[in-house]
Amino acid sequence: AQSVTQLGSHVSVSEGALVLLRCNYSSSVPPYLFWYVQYPNQGLQLLLKYTTGATLVKGINGFEAEFKKSETSFHLTKPSAHMSDAAEYFCAVSASISGNTGKLIFGQGTTLQVKP
Amino acid sequence: NAGVMQNPRHLVRRRGQEARLRCSPMKGHSHVYWYRQLPEEGLKFMVYLQKENIIDESGMPKERFSAEFPKEGPSILRIQQVVRGDSAAYFCASSPPSVNNQPQHFGDGTRLSIL
Repeated sequence: AQSVTQLGSHVSVSEGALVLLRCNYSSSVPPYLFWYVQYPNQGLQLLLKYTTGATLVKGINGFEAEFKKSETSFHLTKPSAHMSDAAEYFCAVSASISGNTGKLIFGQGTTLQVKP
Repeated sequence: NAGVMQNPRHLVRRRGQEARLRCSPMKGHSHVYWYRQLPEEGLKFMVYLQKENIIDESGMPKERFSAEFPKEGPSILRIQQVVRGDSAAYFCASSPPSVNNQPQHFGDGTRLSIL
């Protein structure tokens, strides 16, 4: 079974400050990990993904995340927040095993507020 | 627009009516997933379909809910005899034939409101 926990349902940062959104996962098989962003009344947009290889993954809009197997974490960071980053962020996991259906298991989401 | 298309964007139904939600996947994608997002919650997997086949429906409620993805036309999520608790945003996602390692692309969702 797989699960995702996002620590902190709301995170508030000042414009220009570091963004850190936390994600821990549980998986009995090697995971694929994803971060999605959702703007109001829209669908989810993929920010970045980890499948295999390099554990530091760079995504769109200056975001990156690091897969740490020993900590079962996949935290999302951005060095300098911009007002346009205000949105809801979802971490998700799927199984990498052969025959996997690809369904995503999502965390509860973290709302990022950026203050001027 | 070559993205995942969902319609309608907003749907209002009275208790006991039927709701039909449609999803056209991205061009070249033959895999469709449906997710439900309840207020203040994350997305929950409902069902995974390929053309004319239901592959995984482990997240579907046992009653009133059904899904199909016919050979021609969009995927349909059908909710019969809707109740207040069905109010949610329903998202469709699609992916190419090689499932593993391929990210899912999401539509903008259908927001279902039950009066």
